[in-house]
Amino acid sequence: DAGVIQSPRHEVTEMGQEVTLRCKPISGHNSLFWYRQTMMRGLELLIYFNNNVPIDDSGMPEDRFSAKMPNASFSTLKIQPSEPRDSAVYFCASSLRFSADTQYFGPGTRLTVL
Amino acid sequence: QQQVKQSPQSLIVQKGGISIINCAYENTAFDYFPWYQQFPGKGPALLIAIRPDVSEKKEGRFTISFNKSAKQFSLHIMDSQPGDSATYFCAADYGGATNKLIFGTGTLLAVQP
Repeated sequence: DAGVIQSPRHEVTEMGQEVTLRCKPISGHNSLFWYRQTMMRGLELLIYFNNNVPIDDSGMPEDRFSAKMPNASFSTLKIQPSEPRDSAVYFCASSLRFSADTQYFGPGTRLTVL
Repeated sequence: QQQVKQSPQSLIVQKGGISIINCAYENTAFDYFPWYQQFPGKGPALLIAIRPDVSEKKEGRFTISFNKSAKQFSLHIMDSQPGDSATYFCAADYGGATNKLIFGTGTLLAVQP
């Protein structure tokens, strides 16, 4: 299996622009997670889905952030408009089961907002 | 109550030595405690995990010690190797109803040759 696939791997954009991050989970996995990692705040869970349905989005920092999972093999995290403080590494992870199961992380997208 | 406190923030160990990373939690509803390992430029990967019904779990050179009464758990890396140099995260999960991991702040381990 190819593992969790994320694109792009690096994104540099200017403040105010829309940014879309993409994730393809491992085939057959039922849960998908979006995380943000920064030096200051560590690894933060933004939102997670189970069977394509958002379960908990309490970690989404602001209305500028939105996430969708239109089908079992694709999810997006969108930031509109982007701000310099959004600069971070964004990880997508998936797991087979919904509870207490191994989460498999993708390689991450390094986002820089100028 | 949802925090997982991890220490130390960084650790330098000589090759062959023992690396010890500690974590503490408050919420007794947590019932699944994984450790993740992250190399630079990569996503975290599960290293080893434990449930509170056992006090210790060992996988190769990696051991989790769990103290339920103290609400603490630790990762021990025996015979530490330069290839173990990475950031280690402890985490806690409520299990049962969710797979929502609460991560510690991470420990940057450097094993010197």
